[in-house]
Amino acid sequence: DIQMTQSPSSLSASIGDRVTISCQATEDISNYLNWYHQRPGKAPKLLIFDTSSLEPGVPSRFSGSGSGTHFTFTVNSLQPEDIGTYYCQQYYLVPYTFGQGTTLEIK
Amino acid sequence: EVHLVQSGAEVKKPGESLKISCKGSGYDFNGYWIGWVRQMPGKSLEWMGVIYPGDSDTTFNPSFEGHVTISADKFITTAYLQWSSLKASDTGMYFCARRRLTTLGVAIGAFDIWGQGTMVTVSS
Repeated sequence: DIQMTQSPSSLSASIGDRVTISCQATEDISNYLNWYHQRPGKAPKLLIFDTSSLEPGVPSRFSGSGSGTHFTFTVNSLQPEDIGTYYCQQYYLVPYTFGQGTTLEIK
Repeated sequence: EVHLVQSGAEVKKPGESLKISCKGSGYDFNGYWIGWVRQMPGKSLEWMGVIYPGDSDTTFNPSFEGHVTISADKFITTAYLQWSSLKASDTGMYFCARRRLTTLGVAIGAFDIWGQGTMVTVSS
């Protein structure tokens, strides 16, 4: 299976900050990489698919980049509702696998 | 509006059987793959498998194949996840989710619509 490793595992930032999360794959996954946000007790929500495509309705302060094995997710101007856990997911090979998650809290 | 609504929480004993459901509405249920994702307490997400309700074509994560059954009834727009003999290690939250289609109608590996989750607790 392709392993997805996110860093950091957790972070704390202030409202208005720019936040960046990394996701590394154990092999080349081209651009088959998605990002989700999960609030406690809720289902995940798709934010970005295919590395950098914003899901309709998702604020433009979210963005993604990368290719191959290294990917980056960015939140510009952090808002209170952005707290929760963010997951990357590859779909280059079955089984599609998720990162371990990055938990974001507000300072 | 597009929805996936899952059945309620379950508490079972090891060895018992269970079938949980996921009902789709507001879209062409038969034209979209439905997947199941497990989240054990305090853990990340695990992709279990997907089914295409139109013809019941199924793809499994090998880690789950043989232990669970994924099925769908296209006439009542409902997908199912089933166990014949539960283990304590099956305890977790189970989400169903719809695979996203591109504007050209190609299914990609992202899940764009999610059910609310079904909590399954297996304990003696």
